[in-house]
Amino acid sequence: EIVMTQSPATLSVSPGERATLSCRASQSVSSKLAWYQQKPGQAPRLLIYGASTRATGIPARFSGSGSGTEFTLTISSLQSEDFAIYYCQQYNHWKTFGQGTKVEI
Amino acid sequence: EVQLVESGGGLVQPGGSLRLSCAASGFTFRNQWMSWVRQAPGKGLEWVANIKQDGSEKYYVDSVKGRFTISRDNAKNSLYLQMNSLRAEDTAVYYCARDSDGYEYWGQGTLVAVSS
Repeated sequence: EIVMTQSPATLSVSPGERATLSCRASQSVSSKLAWYQQKPGQAPRLLIYGASTRATGIPARFSGSGSGTEFTLTISSLQSEDFAIYYCQQYNHWKTFGQGTKVEI
Repeated sequence: EVQLVESGGGLVQPGGSLRLSCAASGFTFRNQWMSWVRQAPGKGLEWVANIKQDGSEKYYVDSVKGRFTISRDNAKNSLYLQMNSLRAEDTAVYYCARDSDGYEYWGQGTLVAVSS
C-alpha cells in the first residue's frame, strides 16, 4: 500500500496570504496525484489532477506541482471560501488518500 | 448535468448486512470506472472499492476484502456495494464517485452506522 503523508496537519493563514500544502508518497506515484477540498457536510471537490492540471471551474489561484514522491498544492491568495480541509490522493496503484491539511484563519 | 445519488444507508448491528445503491445520470455510465469512498465521522477519506466499466475487474481495500462486494448494472445506470459482516469501524458516510483521473463527480453520501 502506498502511504500518503500530508503536512502540516493544520495551517493557520490570513485572507490574501499564500498557502503551501505538502504531500509525500511512500513510493513513486508518477504524476497520478489529485488534490481535493472538503468543507463541513459536503462531498470533496476535485481541485487538481495529474499533479498539476486544474479541474473544470477551479480558480487559477490553485496550482499543483511535483512528481514522483513529493507534491505541493499552492493557493496564491487565500479567499474566505478557501478555508477548508485539503486532501491529496494517489491513483497510480490502487487509490490512497492523505490524512488531510486543515487550512484555518 | 452529472448526478450521483446514493441510498441504502442506515443503522445496523455488528455482524449485519446492508446494500448501498448509487443511481447515476448525466453521463454514459457504462463507459466509466466507478468507486466507493468512505469517511468515518471526523476522519479522512478512504477508498473502499472500484469496478471496471464491464464489471470484469474489481478491487478492494484490504480492510473490506471478503466482506464487501462491489457490483454494477449498466442497464440501470446503477452501482452497488453489498456490505456483510459489518463492524463498528465500518461506520462512515459512503460516497460513490466517478473514477477517472481523480474523482471529479461525487454523490452526496449515505451514512452507515454500525452499532448495537
